[in-house]
Amino acid sequence: NAGVTQTPKFQVLKTGQSMTLQCAQDMNHEYMSWYRQDPGMGLRLIHYSVGAGITDQGEVPNGYNVSRSTTEDFPLRLLSAAPSQTSVYFCASTDGGAKNIQYFGAGTRLSVL
Amino acid sequence: AQSVTQLDSHVSVSEGTPVLLRCNYSSSYSPSLFWYVQHPNKGLQLLLKYTSAATLVKGINGFEAEFKKSETSFHLTKPSAHMSDAAEYFCVVRGRAGNNRKLIWGLGTSLAVNP
Repeated sequence: NAGVTQTPKFQVLKTGQSMTLQCAQDMNHEYMSWYRQDPGMGLRLIHYSVGAGITDQGEVPNGYNVSRSTTEDFPLRLLSAAPSQTSVYFCASTDGGAKNIQYFGAGTRLSVL
Repeated sequence: AQSVTQLDSHVSVSEGTPVLLRCNYSSSYSPSLFWYVQHPNKGLQLLLKYTSAATLVKGINGFEAEFKKSETSFHLTKPSAHMSDAAEYFCVVRGRAGNNRKLIWGLGTSLAVNP
């Protein structure tokens, strides 16, 4: 039972480069989300999706794009990386029933030089 | 609108002594409340949750939390700290209006356990 799988675990980029952080879940959850975690700032929501084909902005969406072509996958794209995007990124999948529990991936540690 | 405040950014206890991590919330609706734990360089794990059933909620690893509506609090406690409890703890609130599943996260409390 894989749960939520994030790749890569670590990444170093140069300013201006683009990349995609992958996230996949095998629990058939409709709701998925991306967070970034920075020291002293808790988790901040970047984008979320309530189902395939539906995405919406969270608290800090600028500089990031998402798409949700399937229920399983929710990739996060950085089109032109900036040093301010150095962070740890977490993908989460939510059990939308009565439990309403978020399951997190192991995280991607991104450094932008 | 919902919000959550973790009253201590750092807590330090000795092994074997009680743990208290404080969380206050604000919500226009009857909220769902969660505590998550994050060990160093690890992902996030659910400790426990409150969703309007019993006000005293028991979670994993001996932790529990009590929902007090009159005080708008959801403090996390454990009778006796272990070294393995050293981690970052997050209090999270979610309202129940409509289908909004955006969770509001506290800034975290770092728990240190001294031998």
